[in-house]
Amino acid sequence: TQLLEQSPQFLSIQEGENLTVYCNSSSVFSSLQWYRQEPGEGPVLLVTVVTGGEVKKLKRLTFQFGDARKDSSLHITAAQPGDTGLYLCAGAWDSGGGADGLTFGKGTHLIIQP
Amino acid sequence: DTAVSQTPKYLVTQMGNDKSIKCEQNLGHDTMYWYKQDSKKFLKIMFSYNNKELIINETVPNRFSPKSPDKAHLNLHINSLELGDSAVYFCASSFLGLPSTDTQYFGPGTRLTVL
Repeated sequence: TQLLEQSPQFLSIQEGENLTVYCNSSSVFSSLQWYRQEPGEGPVLLVTVVTGGEVKKLKRLTFQFGDARKDSSLHITAAQPGDTGLYLCAGAWDSGGGADGLTFGKGTHLIIQP
Repeated sequence: DTAVSQTPKYLVTQMGNDKSIKCEQNLGHDTMYWYKQDSKKFLKIMFSYNNKELIINETVPNRFSPKSPDKAHLNLHINSLELGDSAVYFCASSFLGLPSTDTQYFGPGTRLTVL
């Protein structure tokens, strides 16, 4: 069973600060996705990283996939109150049979205080 | 024009009852999923369906049975509800079922409370 460890579990910082969330596994994934979930809603995909060492940027968010495709990080620059939410990493593997589910980490609850 | 919809949004019921949660997607996707999110926000895959065929069946109790009348719908039926079934259940869909290339779109969730 593939497991994803996310850290920190909770993070509360002031507006304007930078932060990094980590997602680690002992398994190699075909791809790794980052989701953001608002209260009362379903997760929404932010980014998918596929290639080892890949870096993707989404405005103030920078996502990196580890060279060995076992870990990933999410870095937020100059955090804003609107960044508050639950951030989930999810690993996927394409077994070739189709319809593979995602293995989720336990999430990082992020609070950005004005 | 909601992409993935679920009904009901909230479901409160007594232990031992049987209930169903419905899911519909209007994205034309081939694959649909059911996830369970516990009180600590841990999200875990339960089932997936690809073209009406069950592909994944994780180690969930057989009291849970997914039913797909067509590829746009994947309903979740739960028999003999237990207290531990209380959670938020999310339906999701994707085009081909390959997460490396697909995006999974999640519904808004159904909060099930078993008393």
